[in-house]
Amino acid sequence: GAGVSQTPSNKVTEKGKYVELRCDPISGHTALYWYRQSLGQGPEFLIYFQGTGAADDSGLPNDRFFAVRPEGSVSTLKIQRTERGDSAVYLCASSFRGEDEQYFGPGTRLTVT
Amino acid sequence: GENVEQHPSTLSVQEGDSAVIKCTYSDSASNYFPWYKQELGKGPQLIIDIRSNVGEKKDQRIAVTLNKTAKHFSLHITETQPEDSAVYFCAASKGGSYIPTFGRGTSLIVHP
Repeated sequence: GAGVSQTPSNKVTEKGKYVELRCDPISGHTALYWYRQSLGQGPEFLIYFQGTGAADDSGLPNDRFFAVRPEGSVSTLKIQRTERGDSAVYLCASSFRGEDEQYFGPGTRLTVT
Repeated sequence: GENVEQHPSTLSVQEGDSAVIKCTYSDSASNYFPWYKQELGKGPQLIIDIRSNVGEKKDQRIAVTLNKTAKHFSLHITETQPEDSAVYFCAASKGGSYIPTFGRGTSLIVHP
C-alpha cells in the first residue's frame, strides 16, 4: 500500500519568506508526527497530532512554526519569516492510533538562502 | 528528558563481516527501542524494535539486544552486504503516545 508522502521534496526560499510543507499519512493512521533533521543528526521532534488536535507541540522551536491537520488526515507545517537556521530536512511520520511503530515519509529538504 | 547516545558515528566493515552499533539511554522509564535505517535522500525505515520485557530479538541477519540494568541496547548485523550501507539510528521512548528520542546516527559503510 501507499506509504507516507511529503511535498514538495525540495523547497528553496529566501530569508523572511513563508513556506508550507505538506504530509499525507498512511490511510487510517490517526497519529501524525513532524520531525526536523539537520545534517549529521537524528530526527528532532516538532509536533504530534492525534486526529485533528495537536497532542504535543512541545518541540516547536518558536512561534514562527505552526502545524495544522484540519480533517485528521493531511497535515501542513507552516513556517513564517524563515531564517537560514531553519534549513533542514523536515520529516513526517504516521502511526496507527499512536502505537509505537512510526512510518516515515521521504522528507522535504528546506533551504533558506 | 530522555538522552540517547549512539556509537560509533562511523563504522566501516568488509562485506561478510559483522557490525555492531551501541546506544545508551538515560530514562529508566523508557520501554520501547526501535532501530531505523536511513538511505541517502530517503526517510528513516524501521528495521527492528525491542520492548523492555525481552532481552533479545532477531530477524534474519539483524538482532537487537537490551540490557535494562545498564540502560544500553545494541544492533547486530551479521554477514553484512553492500546494500546494508546506510545511516542507522537508535531511539528510545516510553511507548504509546510518548515521543521517541533519537541517537545521532551511525554511518555504516560495507566495502565489497
